[in-house]
Amino acid sequence: QLVLTQSPSASASLGASVKFTCTLSSGHSIYAIAWHQQQPEKGPRYLLKVTSDGGHSKGDGIPDRFSGSSSGAERYLFISNLQSEDEADYYCQTWDTGSWVFGGGTKLTVL
Amino acid sequence: EVQLLESGGGLVQPGGSLRLACAASGFTFSSNAMSWVRQAPGKGLEWVSTINNSGRNTYYADSVKGRFTITRDNSKNTLHLQVNSLRAEDTAIYYCVKVHYYDSSGSRGHFDLWGRGTLVTVSS
Repeated sequence: QLVLTQSPSASASLGASVKFTCTLSSGHSIYAIAWHQQQPEKGPRYLLKVTSDGGHSKGDGIPDRFSGSSSGAERYLFISNLQSEDEADYYCQTWDTGSWVFGGGTKLTVL
Repeated sequence: EVQLLESGGGLVQPGGSLRLACAASGFTFSSNAMSWVRQAPGKGLEWVSTINNSGRNTYYADSVKGRFTITRDNSKNTLHLQVNSLRAEDTAIYYCVKVHYYDSSGSRGHFDLWGRGTLVTVSS
């Protein structure tokens, strides 16, 4: 079964960097994923897609501070130079034929 | 401007029905599969349903199969979700989402554009 696992919370200081990890379930290590950001009281926003070879493609208007990479079954989202508006929930998402899956989300607190 | 605008949410009693709508603009609606994703209060995101670009192929989460129906009208750039036999656990914000083009089956692809959502509350 296709499952995405994320840590429930993370924190980092203003101006610092943070890394989020999304782990694909066994047997699905070649799957691409997408990262989405959901600021408080807002709808989600697509950030970027990360493939198994570490390549990533960002959504329109996403700042260069956001990037992605990959290692084995893990997919990463990096945010550098943290801003207050980066405080949000971050979800990874993937798909299999005819079904789509989200991770549980990671809540980022900017200190 | 590229955007998705949902409507049709509201308060409904258990067992009731609603028809959600999503108006798309700023992109070629007929080229992309479209999806509905929901979020229960204080919870994470849950995929609900997807329809391919032509409307011929539809996909549903097990939790809504047989109760929800997704359709689209490419002439009006509109996506719909008919929700029947509603339960308390269907209470959520329902988001209209564009699927990045992968192939014409609409069975794969990441989500690359979200609407602001419409709230459905199921309660007596």
